[in-house]
Amino acid sequence: DSGVTQTPKHLITATGQRVTLRCSPRSGDLSVYWYQQSLDQGLQFLIQYYNGEERAKGNILERFSAQQFPDLHSELNLSSLELGDSALYFCASSVPTGVRGVETQYFGPGTRLLVL
Amino acid sequence: AQSVTQPDIHITVSEGASLELRCNYSYGATPYLFWYVQSPGQGLQLLLKYFSGDTLVQGIKGFEAEFKRSQSSFNLRKPSVHWSDAAEYFCAVGARAGGTSYGKLTFGQGTILTVHP
Repeated sequence: DSGVTQTPKHLITATGQRVTLRCSPRSGDLSVYWYQQSLDQGLQFLIQYYNGEERAKGNILERFSAQQFPDLHSELNLSSLELGDSALYFCASSVPTGVRGVETQYFGPGTRLLVL
Repeated sequence: AQSVTQPDIHITVSEGASLELRCNYSYGATPYLFWYVQSPGQGLQLLLKYFSGDTLVQGIKGFEAEFKRSQSSFNLRKPSVHWSDAAEYFCAVGARAGGTSYGKLTFGQGTILTVHP
């Protein structure tokens, strides 16, 4: 158990709908990252938040948005869902190392989204 | 931009045999390298990481990896595989940003390990 929690574990919805995925980071971690894992694209970085602010952006669609709240939990909002959005969505968190560099990310169990 | 290649999509070994999973990376600066393991239906578990220093790093579950800058490789090894090691293994490289500390990870496509009894 990494200490990162994600809810829900599974989500089934229809095309055109909107869903919200939730992530609680490990205690003390300030950064939250979102990744998408699909069969055709593999594991892709979506977005990173650090202490409530967006820090880095990857291959995130305009239909997707995220935020990090004052208690440091994060939500990933997916709207106007398409069949191709079906994937496993991971959240990861990390603690600042105090030096300029890459932090070790610890992953949650993921949310499996199925769009029908 | 950084990239990671795992040349082997699927590897099969017998229980007790040695294992080496290959990983090649492309990155213009000093790489930060990771190996993660994903069991079916599970999240990603960190096996080990390389940031600097000793090029041979030890991880959990008896795994080790060796960073070879000249070959742009970070291969994962285990001397004796157990049936419980059957899973998918991902190599990743972290991007370092000047002046800030963040860690977008770029993953390889993964190598599925099957262990025969």
